[in-house]
Amino acid sequence: EDQVTQSPEALRLQEGESSSLNCSYTVSGLRGLFWYRQDPGKGPEFLFTLYSAGEEKEKERLKATLTKKESFLHITAPKPEDSATYLCAVLTTNAGGTSYGKLTFGQGTILTVHP
Amino acid sequence: DAGVTQSPTHLIKTRGQQVTLRCSPISGHKSVSWYQQVLGQGPQFIFQYYEKEERGRGNFPDRFSARQFPNYSSELNVNALLLGDSALYLCASSSHWGSTDTQYFGPGTRLTVL
Repeated sequence: EDQVTQSPEALRLQEGESSSLNCSYTVSGLRGLFWYRQDPGKGPEFLFTLYSAGEEKEKERLKATLTKKESFLHITAPKPEDSATYLCAVLTTNAGGTSYGKLTFGQGTILTVHP
Repeated sequence: DAGVTQSPTHLIKTRGQQVTLRCSPISGHKSVSWYQQVLGQGPQFIFQYYEKEERGRGNFPDRFSARQFPNYSSELNVNALLLGDSALYLCASSSHWGSTDTQYFGPGTRLTVL
């Protein structure tokens, strides 16, 4: 069964203090890895999709990277408005060899950035 | 363009009742997926529908059912509600089925079962 584990569960940073969030996965056939941001009581907001090991994507203060077993979300010089839960999800093939759209999520990392 | 919309925003029900949640996908998207998110956990996959047909089902009891309409909107029904069904129910839409298209989520419906 596909498994996704995120660490740490919670991370507290001072404004400007860079850090990384980890997403490790054990899957049968990775078709894509997705990062989402979720604010309290709201739906997840799409950030990045990574498809193959070695791929990197950036958006403002965020940079996502992918290896064969894990993904990192690097946050450079974070601001208080970056405080949120960051979710990692994988899209994998089913027994028939297609990725019918089931995302398997990790439990999330709660990021708090203090001014 | 409007994103994914869901209704109602909040809902309070008692054990044993039935509930219907609604979702309208992004214009042009033909696939809708439903997820359940319990407080403190990541979303869990319930169903995916594409072109009005069920294309995937997660590990949920038969009390959970869904359908998709010709305009690609969708309903999730839950019968015989249990306390453990209290959660944020999320709808996500994507362009196609069986591809790596990004799934875009709506704001969710918060269901509380008393």
